[in-house]
This record gives sequence, C-alpha cells and structure tokens, in this order.
Amino acid sequence: AQSVAQPEDQVNVAEGNPLTVKCTYSVSGNPYLFWYVQYPNRGLQFLLKYITGDNLVKGSYGFEAEFNKSQTSFHLKKPSALVSDSALYFCAVRADAGGTSYGKLTFGQGTILTVHP
Amino acid sequence: AAGVIQSPRHLIKEKRETATLKCYPIPRHDTVYWYQQGPGQDPQFLISFYEKMQSDKGSIPDRFSAQQFSDYHSELNMSSLELGDSALYFCASSSNAGWATDTQYFGPGTRLTVL
Repeated sequence: AQSVAQPEDQVNVAEGNPLTVKCTYSVSGNPYLFWYVQYPNRGLQFLLKYITGDNLVKGSYGFEAEFNKSQTSFHLKKPSALVSDSALYFCAVRADAGGTSYGKLTFGQGTILTVHP
Repeated sequence: AAGVIQSPRHLIKEKRETATLKCYPIPRHDTVYWYQQGPGQDPQFLISFYEKMQSDKGSIPDRFSAQQFSDYHSELNMSSLELGDSALYFCASSSNAGWATDTQYFGPGTRLTVL
C-alpha cells in the first residue's frame, strides 16, 4: 500500500518570502513523487517530479522540491512567493513494483497555499 | 501544446439516471486514467487503461464502467446515479505504457451534479 500525508491544511506566507509545503510518503519499493497544483475550478497542473538522482528537483514556475529518503519527505519550496501562487497543492506518489507499473497516483489531502500581498 | 480534453465540462443529472463522460488523451499517449474528486477531497483513482485493456482498478463502483477505444479516447459510463456521485471527474493520460516514472497529465475535469 502507498500513502501520502500533507500535514498542513493551509499555509500562509507573505509575498516575497520563501514558502514550503510539506509532504511525507509511505511506499513499498522505489517511490516516484509528484507535485500538482490546482486552481479553482481547474484541472491539476503538473509542477515537478522526483524519479532518481539529484535530491533537489526543479520544476515549473520557480518551484523546487527536496527528496529526503531517510525522512520519507518531499517538501515543495519556492524562494520568493507570488500572490499568483495561491492555490491548492497536492503531493502524489507512485511505487515501482519491481517492473512495469500501470498504477495509480495516490494523492495527499492537499494544502491550500495563500500568499498575501 | 495539446492537452487532455474532457467533455462535457458540466453535467447535471437526476438520481437513477445514467451519464457518460468522455476523455481524449494527449496525442500519442497510450494510457488513460480516471479519478474522482469529491468536494474538499483529494482525487481518488478509479480505473486505468493501456492499449484498450484495463490496466489497474481502484475504488470504482460496480455501477460504473469504462473503456478505451482504438483511437485511445476513453469513456466512463455511470448508471443508477446517486447523490454521492456528485464530484469532479478527472481524466489523465501518459505515454510509454504508463510506467511509474511517467507524468500523468490531467484534463480540466467534468463536474457532475446529481440532483
């Protein structure tokens, strides 16, 4: 079984300040981790993913995420937040079952990010 | 770049009616996934298809069925609709046979309201 936890329902930051949205995961096998963003009444937009290699992954719109295997975490970060970053953020995981996997994404509960002017 | 297309975008049905949701994947994507997102909830995986065959199954009710056609588009058929089926239904697609490393790209969703 695989699971994802986003411990904060809401994160509030001031524009220009750094932001962090937390995510921890639990899987059997190699984890493949994803971040998506959802704006109101819109679909999920892919931000970035960790597959293997460098623990710091860079993605769209200046976002990055740090994979930490020992802490089973994949926190989303941005050095300087924008008001337009305000949205709902989902962390998701897929597991490699040792071969081809057609499997599902398992999502966390989501974190509402609000960036204040 | 072309994205995943879903139709209709909004659908209103009465209880016990049927509904059909359609999904057109990104060109050259061979794998399609369906997710259900209830109000204030995270998306829950329903079912997926690779090359017209069901590849994985999640918490999809028996009242629902889906298939993928030769042009790779997919349809989710929902019968005997219940109030609890009201949700946002997402389709996603990926390439390369849906390897775990592949990115799933999501459509805008179909908002189903059951009255």
